[in-house]
Amino acid sequence: DGGITQSPKYLFRKEGQNVTLSCEQNLNHDAMYWYRQDPGQGLRLIYYSQIVNDFQKGDIAEGYSVSREKKESFPLTVTSAQKNPTAFYLCASSSRDSVQETQYFGPGTRLLVL
Amino acid sequence: QKEVEQNSGPLSVPEGAIASLNCTYSDRGSQSFFWYRQYSGKSPELIMSIYSNGDKEDGRFTAQLNKASQYVSLLIRDSQPSDSATYLCAAPGDTDKLIFGTGTRLQVFP
Repeated sequence: DGGITQSPKYLFRKEGQNVTLSCEQNLNHDAMYWYRQDPGQGLRLIYYSQIVNDFQKGDIAEGYSVSREKKESFPLTVTSAQKNPTAFYLCASSSRDSVQETQYFGPGTRLLVL
Repeated sequence: QKEVEQNSGPLSVPEGAIASLNCTYSDRGSQSFFWYRQYSGKSPELIMSIYSNGDKEDGRFTAQLNKASQYVSLLIRDSQPSDSATYLCAAPGDTDKLIFGTGTRLQVFP
């Protein structure tokens, strides 16, 4: 079964804590993306990766970090520098990094601050 | 800054009617457009992509693209309560990345 998985489904962060959101895909896609969705707002791009061992900042990268050590995996760390992390985080992938290509989304992780 | 705009709704239609969802975009050079459906608490799923002027049909869904007027529409025929969701439009933005609209909430009542 091909697709994108994200874990955990819900994540609670204490103040000053770094937390990592997992994203795995078995679609053999080169490009992967992280978005943040807040109520009543569109999806905002945090980071994206066109290929293994390479990634670029999106529109709202401050307070976040990523890695792309394997083609299948693109984890997102929400650092303590991100002062308003409560949101729905969506990972997506596409066969290549192009606006012509369809992006497919994982089920999402909802991050809440304690 | 390039933008993608949608009416937030809610758009309420009776079961069996045609729902018409609209999206305008600011970049005249945009070549690709996507419609996603997002149920409450879930992630977006692709409904349709469209690249050429005119209509593209897939089952009960029709996407319409008018590049001269810079809008893209999604028509849902024979609307069902299960179509009740938020519909997101996406188009290329400034940095050659997709920009997503804020979405239109559709309510189909029996």
